[in-house]
Amino acid sequence: GAGVSQSPSNKVTEKGKDVELRCDPISGHTALYWYRQSLGQGLEFLIYFQGNSAPDKSGLPSDRFSAERTGGSVSTLTIQRTQQEDSAVYLCASSLGGGDNQPQHFGDGTRLSIL
Amino acid sequence: AQSVTQLDSQVPVFEEAPVELRCNYSSSVSVYLFWYVQYPNQGLQLLLKYLSGSTLVESINGFEAEFNKSQTSFHLRKPSVHISDTAEYFCAVSDFSTGFQKLVFGTGTRLLVSP
Repeated sequence: GAGVSQSPSNKVTEKGKDVELRCDPISGHTALYWYRQSLGQGLEFLIYFQGNSAPDKSGLPSDRFSAERTGGSVSTLTIQRTQQEDSAVYLCASSLGGGDNQPQHFGDGTRLSIL
Repeated sequence: AQSVTQLDSQVPVFEEAPVELRCNYSSSVSVYLFWYVQYPNQGLQLLLKYLSGSTLVESINGFEAEFNKSQTSFHLRKPSVHISDTAEYFCAVSDFSTGFQKLVFGTGTRLLVSP
């Protein structure tokens, strides 16, 4: 079946612009995660959604970052006023639930480059 | 706070040789442990996980890892590697204190298998 789909696969933008990254989770998966993978920081958790509950935003690095999940399915990660340090691969993952025995399935990521 | 240490950033090995990728974690509570593999330009794939029970866990492609609580380690091993095992391997830990599977990753080990 279809896996986690992320778009765009690559995004190049100028410093100061806003960007939106999209994640389409596996159908039926109620839990959705965003991670950032960068050379300097490795893999970092950003935000977690579970069903219609309030998201856990504890990993968002600044208030320029926000995310929403509409209808419990597709999620959008928005970065406002991008900075060069935002350059990274942004990975989305989904799972059947947030519990310990539910493996996270990752998309191929969006490679974001800030000029 | 939890942390994961992967001391080896890169491990070169010849085909059909054995390999061990080291992972140590730091946590004051019981944890769940994972190994993920990432092939170039792809997302992460779950290789194996330890939640409870037998301390030796195996994957379908010949990898195994052993949970050692006294040494706080979860090293990944394979008795005979293939060229196709060339990839980056990430160790991760989660303690569910947040109420969900919030993964903390190590910095990764690049396995390079040559003929």
